[in-house]
Amino acid sequence: GAVVSQHPSWVICKSGTSVKIECRSLDFQATTMFWYRQFPKQSLMLMATSNEGSKATYEQGVEKDKFLINHASLTLSTLTVTSAHPEDSSFYICSASDPVDPYSSPPQHFGDGTRLSIL
Amino acid sequence: AQKVTQAQTEISVVEKEDVTLDCVYETRDTTYYLFWYKQPPSGELVFLIRRNSFDEQNEISGRYSWNFQKSTSSFNFTITASQVVDSAVYFCALSADNAGNMLTFGGGTRLMVKP
Repeated sequence: GAVVSQHPSWVICKSGTSVKIECRSLDFQATTMFWYRQFPKQSLMLMATSNEGSKATYEQGVEKDKFLINHASLTLSTLTVTSAHPEDSSFYICSASDPVDPYSSPPQHFGDGTRLSIL
Repeated sequence: AQKVTQAQTEISVVEKEDVTLDCVYETRDTTYYLFWYKQPPSGELVFLIRRNSFDEQNEISGRYSWNFQKSTSSFNFTITASQVVDSAVYFCALSADNAGNMLTFGGGTRLMVKP
């Protein structure tokens, strides 16, 4: 079945560092991908919609200059947390659906997530 | 705006008990889709079910069953004869499309099944 691969699975870095997270659709082309953030013991919140070949759409309250999204190909979206600080520590997870098969099960393919810890 | 409320933040049961996880939603869309996901401690999201707003039939899948009541905007999830492996956080979610794009998640219910 369709798979979305997310890398890295976890990262620990110093405050002020920029961190890039990759989300790949392995066997389908994703014109749109989604990025969610989940703080410990909280729900998943949609951060932004990544659009292939155009600018991402950010949800209210999400700083677009802080969370840079690039979707340069139909199989890859990247989220870069710029100048990360401890408050950016969270679980980031991406997802995408196969536009050719929207009735597939599961309908939305999630990556396994990235645990980001900023020291 | 869409909203999903899971009033139960944590539930603890003993193995073999039945347990129901509540989900109430708000949306102005006439067509919408409801989902349940399981998130084990490892963090990945496991899809359990998708239901569209026009299909109010209850569904059963093994020990899992779902009760969708449009009149009360609820989509409750019941696990029968719970097992330790059912321990996880369960999320109810809402989307305007069938593919589950741009999901609005509830706060989640942490289920602990004790042996």
